[in-house]
Amino acid sequence: GAGVSQTPSNKVTEKGKYVELRCDPISGHTALYWYRQSLGQGPEFLIYFQGTGAADDSGLPNDRFFAVRPEGSVSTLKIQRTERGDSAVYLCASSLGPASQETQYFGPGTRLLVL
Amino acid sequence: ELKVEQNPLFLSMQEGKNYTIYCNYSTTSDRLYWYRQDPGKSLESLFVLLSNGAVKQEGRLMASLDTKARLSTLHITAAVHDLSATYFCAVTLRTSGSRLTFGEGTQLTVNP
Repeated sequence: GAGVSQTPSNKVTEKGKYVELRCDPISGHTALYWYRQSLGQGPEFLIYFQGTGAADDSGLPNDRFFAVRPEGSVSTLKIQRTERGDSAVYLCASSLGPASQETQYFGPGTRLLVL
Repeated sequence: ELKVEQNPLFLSMQEGKNYTIYCNYSTTSDRLYWYRQDPGKSLESLFVLLSNGAVKQEGRLMASLDTKARLSTLHITAAVHDLSATYFCAVTLRTSGSRLTFGEGTQLTVNP
């Protein structure tokens, strides 16, 4: 079946602009996660949704970052006033239930470059 | 704070050789995962280890877990070029919700 999909695959923007990154989880997966991966590093947790609500947003670096999942399926990660340090690969993952019980499956990522 | 450390971070080996990647974590975990990442690609789940003494094998890769030592190993047997990739271990903690905490990754290059 279809895996996790993310759009766009690449995004180039200018410092100070607003960007939205989209994630379509595997159908039927109730849990959705966002991670950020810098070059040469392991992914770092940003936020976790169980259904429509953000169950854990403690990984968001500051208030420029926000994510929604209004219908419990597709999620959008929103970054305001982008900074060069935001450049990274943003990965989305989904799991059937909470990761404490289920494997997370990752999407291909969105490569964000802030000039 | 949970910390996950892998070593080595870089590994270059010849085809046909055996080697082991180590993953240490600082706090008792619920689950330990191994993922593979090819350059420019996303992460592919390899193994999930649930309990002390768990061992799983797939092809030339075997993963094990020692929860008392807070150590997992990924053993590579008779390496082939197709195994070249970056390997990550990651753990979950019930007290940290469902987030995965990753190690830095081990970049494996298998030379013909």
